[in-house]
Amino acid sequence: EPEVTQTPSHQVTQMGQEVILRCVPISNHLYFYWYRQILGQKVEFLVSFYNNEISEKSEIFDDQFSVERPDGSNFTLKIRSTKLEDSAMYFCASSERGGDFSHEQYFGPGTRLTVT
Amino acid sequence: QKEVEQDPGPLSVPEGAIVSLNCTYSNSAFQYFMWYRQYSRKGPELLMYTYSSGNKEDGRFTAQVDKSSKYISLFIRDSQPSDSATYLCAMSEESGGSYIPTFGRGTSLIVHP
Repeated sequence: EPEVTQTPSHQVTQMGQEVILRCVPISNHLYFYWYRQILGQKVEFLVSFYNNEISEKSEIFDDQFSVERPDGSNFTLKIRSTKLEDSAMYFCASSERGGDFSHEQYFGPGTRLTVT
Repeated sequence: QKEVEQDPGPLSVPEGAIVSLNCTYSNSAFQYFMWYRQYSRKGPELLMYTYSSGNKEDGRFTAQVDKSSKYISLFIRDSQPSDSATYLCAMSEESGGSYIPTFGRGTSLIVHP
């Protein structure tokens, strides 16, 4: 069964460093998402992406975050200057359709980001 | 306010029990209601979704939506130890609103043999 994959599974970085989290969405999906989950807290939406553009973003997704689809398969989340509070599990998700079908999202296993 | 409330538990039940998991919400614009299962340190896995009010059944799982009460439920029949996980409810609006799901905190379920 097709699945969303993410690398690395765990990333440790120092405060102020840049990190890039990578995702390979399901191959026929066209809509891509990033979420984060701070330990013990809710899954929070960061950004959605379609047709090489950001469709929607939350207040969390400020200027230190960016997303890119550098080729036909990868979808990346970059954090330019990490802060301690960026430590969280970051999930990538994808869906075949958007709009009224955006709820049919499939999540990857996550990248655990630890900022020291 | 797009708040979704969910009791974090843990909810501990014996194998074979019927489990009832619930969420309440305040935003009357929500039309899609999802249930995800999340094992420890894994991504959420979509279990079921329903549109508007009513019931939906899939094997041992039944999702129920009561929009008048702003209350949704997930029932698990004949629960198994492998059902032990955190169950997240999530909701989103219809066309013209935000499609992005708003999640509850999740309820931790433990099914003991």
